[in-house]
Amino acid sequence: KQEVTQIPAALSVPEGENLVLNCSFTDSAIYNLQWFRQDPGKGLTSLLLIQSSQREQTSGRLNASLDKSSGRSTLYIAASQPGDSATYLCAVRQTGNQFYFGTGTSLTVIP
Amino acid sequence: NAGVMQNPRHLVRRRGQEARLRCSPMKGHSHVYWYRQLPEEGLKFMVYLQKENIIDESGMPKERFSAEFPKEGPSILRIQQVVRGDSAAYFCASFGTDGYSPLHFGNGTRLTVT
Repeated sequence: KQEVTQIPAALSVPEGENLVLNCSFTDSAIYNLQWFRQDPGKGLTSLLLIQSSQREQTSGRLNASLDKSSGRSTLYIAASQPGDSATYLCAVRQTGNQFYFGTGTSLTVIP
Repeated sequence: NAGVMQNPRHLVRRRGQEARLRCSPMKGHSHVYWYRQLPEEGLKFMVYLQKENIIDESGMPKERFSAEFPKEGPSILRIQQVVRGDSAAYFCASFGTDGYSPLHFGNGTRLTVT
């Protein structure tokens, strides 16, 4: 069964720093990988979707990469801002439309 | 294009009552997932439905919980005879038939059992 791990569980950085969040998965037979953010008391907001044939996707200050063969994805956030503070989750999609979620990284950006 | 709509946002029930949670997927989406999230914990898969069919209910408790996604109308997650342990946030997500479609979430229903 697919297992998705996110390390670290929590991260605190000063404003302006660039940072990397990690996501690893055990079964490389995936259709795609998606990054989400979740603010307290809210639902998950989709940030980036990377198809299995792609290496990376970019949206503004966010860049997500995918190395399917090694079972890893990273989310790079440039020039972090206090508004980036949230929990970030990754999810992989497999056959049968099964989605597997990591437990998330809680990010705090200190002004 | 409205996103995934869930209602109510907050629901308070006494022990033993029934809770009905509704989810309208994004327009054109025919796949719906329900997840439960406890405070400070991750998402726990409950059930996956397509129109008029339950595809996978392996994450749903065998008793008191049921889900449906009728041909017309929203998907319903029903919890009978609620207990305090059912208190959680329940999220619905949908995606389309396009294999490249992302998963979209609603803002959830926060159920409190008193």
